Amino acid sequence: DTEVTQTPKHLVMGMTNKKSLKCEQHMGHRAMYWYKQKAKKPPELMFVYSYEKLSINESVPSRFSPECPNSSLLNLHLHALQPEDSALYLCASSSGQAQETQYFGPGTRLLVL
Amino acid sequence: QKEVEQNSGPLSVPEGAIASLNCTYSDRGSQSFFWYRQYSGKSPELIMFIYSNGDKEDGRFTAQLNKASQYVSLLIRDSQPSDSATYLCAVDNQGGKLIFGQGTELSVKP
Repeated sequence: DTEVTQTPKHLVMGMTNKKSLKCEQHMGHRAMYWYKQKAKKPPELMFVYSYEKLSINESVPSRFSPECPNSSLLNLHLHALQPEDSALYLCASSSGQAQETQYFGPGTRLLVL
Repeated sequence: QKEVEQNSGPLSVPEGAIASLNCTYSDRGSQSFFWYRQYSGKSPELIMFIYSNGDKEDGRFTAQLNKASQYVSLLIRDSQPSDSATYLCAVDNQGGKLIFGQGTELSVKP
């Protein structure tokens, strides 16, 4: 089973709202990732958690705040977003070993008004 | 200079033909190479991974890796309209990150 789940599927929020995206995997993976993808562009890495510790932050603005409550869950808290933050947000996971395959969830389509 | 380069396409092939997708990368130390398929509005789906020089076959898909030339390709035999998608080449940069190419849009015409 290589399933990563994400909720919600779609999210519309105003620039003053606070919302959270949720990602879950039950494959025993120890690395989890947040990506942002704009139309016609490849996924752009935002954060990496390895063994529940933040290991990579790609200089993402502080209005995006990741959280890894346990090895199966990954959240992305959103606050005071801008319209240009509208995108597909993808979660992925991998075993945590070097150079292993990343499996993507279905994504959350975010629209900021 | 981009670290992973792909022709953006669109690449158009007739149904039943072989589609050939190409990717070059700049980091000679890269060890892992991945091909993902992404349908419009959907998330990337792993098609193939390859670690060693040579060919790796899985059904209608063959991945080819040439580390000396820093080149990886994906061949799709007997292309079907359902193969129409964007194909993303991704390379592990040894730092726990995948570096993606810009993707090649493939269109298979009935």
